[in-house]
Amino acid sequence: GENVEQHPSTLSVQEGDSAVIKCTYSDSASNYFPWYKQELGKRPQLIIDIRSNVGEKKDQRIAVTLNKTAKHFSLHITETQPEDSAVYFCAADEDTGGFKTIFGAGTRLFVKA
Amino acid sequence: GAGVSQSPRYKVAKRGQDVALRCDPISGHVSLFWYQQALGQGPEFLTYFQNEAQLDKSGLPSDRFFAERPEGSVSTLKIQRTQQEDSAVYLCASSLQGSTDTQYFGPGTRLTVL
Repeated sequence: GENVEQHPSTLSVQEGDSAVIKCTYSDSASNYFPWYKQELGKRPQLIIDIRSNVGEKKDQRIAVTLNKTAKHFSLHITETQPEDSAVYFCAADEDTGGFKTIFGAGTRLFVKA
Repeated sequence: GAGVSQSPRYKVAKRGQDVALRCDPISGHVSLFWYQQALGQGPEFLTYFQNEAQLDKSGLPSDRFFAERPEGSVSTLKIQRTQQEDSAVYLCASSLQGSTDTQYFGPGTRLTVL
């Protein structure tokens, strides 16, 4: 089955700097890679996703890149703000017919004002 | 519109008790997922429903865990004879169709087994 590894586990940046979170996956048949943000005590919320037919996707300060050959994908947050502080999870679908999403262990991002 | 809701938000059970956790998905969403999230970890897949059919239950940790969605909307996750290792946040999510559509999560139920 699919295995998703995420790093770093903790990331601290200064406000205004960029943050990069990286994930690798094992199943070359995976096609869908969402990223979720989870604030303390809250539900995970989708912030951006990418499908295997594109290499990069951008939404304002957030971008995701995908390298299918190397089986890794990354989240880039530019001009970080204190409200970006949260836990971020990458995920990948397991190609079992569209049922399972496998999550990484999460990256705790601290943005220092 | 209303998002995914879950009840109760918090549940404390004594070891050996049975518990039932409820999930109300977004109206019209075909797909419903249950996840278990341990402290400091990512959500782990438990089971998946497409309408009322449970198409994948490979993530359920033991036969003490049972889930149902009898009318294709509300779902219940039941844990029998709870153990301390069952303590976690149980998240429900729904999507229009499958795991490659956006999943909308509920707030979760925090289960503590004493």
